[in-house]
Amino acid sequence: GESVGLHLPTLSVQEGDNSIINCAYSNSASDYFIWYKQESGKGPQFIIDIRSNMDKRQGQRVTVLLNKTVKHLSLQIAATQPGDSAVYFCAENQHMEYGNKLVFGAGTILRVKS
Amino acid sequence: EAQVTQNPRYLITVTGKKLTVTCSQNMNHEYMSWYRQDPGLGLRQIYYSMNVEVTDKGDVPEGYKVSRKEKRNFPLILESPSPNQTSLYFCASSLIYIDRGPSPLHFGNGTRLTVT
Repeated sequence: GESVGLHLPTLSVQEGDNSIINCAYSNSASDYFIWYKQESGKGPQFIIDIRSNMDKRQGQRVTVLLNKTVKHLSLQIAATQPGDSAVYFCAENQHMEYGNKLVFGAGTILRVKS
Repeated sequence: EAQVTQNPRYLITVTGKKLTVTCSQNMNHEYMSWYRQDPGLGLRQIYYSMNVEVTDKGDVPEGYKVSRKEKRNFPLILESPSPNQTSLYFCASSLIYIDRGPSPLHFGNGTRLTVT
């Protein structure tokens, strides 16, 4: 399908290596963060989330790190596989007058070389 | 299977011809939202709904309408489509936790709309 990743940063890794995808968020008051994976022709798929009262959370082969001091979020993927190739988005939950709103980053393309 | 279902997946239409993109979720989610995704611009929110009969504008609502008559359905309506509405559209839903804060959005697989 048509790429949604024009001009996005790209991370190329060798199969089996670890990947680290970074995200800078904008609002120091944001209290909830999510990483999504989007494969070609599909909608964004939830990977892992973290609330602001934590600085690390682990899932299956994935770890999210949150550094509130510098407003930075990272996604670590262990033993990267070809099936991990996709666009990865971070999202932050911002508090608005009317409630909460998820604001998405532009995304990073992950390419896994076999 | 828990999912968000959009139809159609692909749609080609002409300027001015009204169209509706349907969205249905089977997870009993209160919150539903529409996004458009364009190269270099990421995901932008069009409209959202906190529950039945409660809808509000997102960041790019011009040229779109929505309705939420039932909890499971949230159709997106383009009364008079224009070429600048050519895009990839996603519907999403989530629970709303009053005491636990937000929960992850679940997305449909998208509708690719081309307006000529």
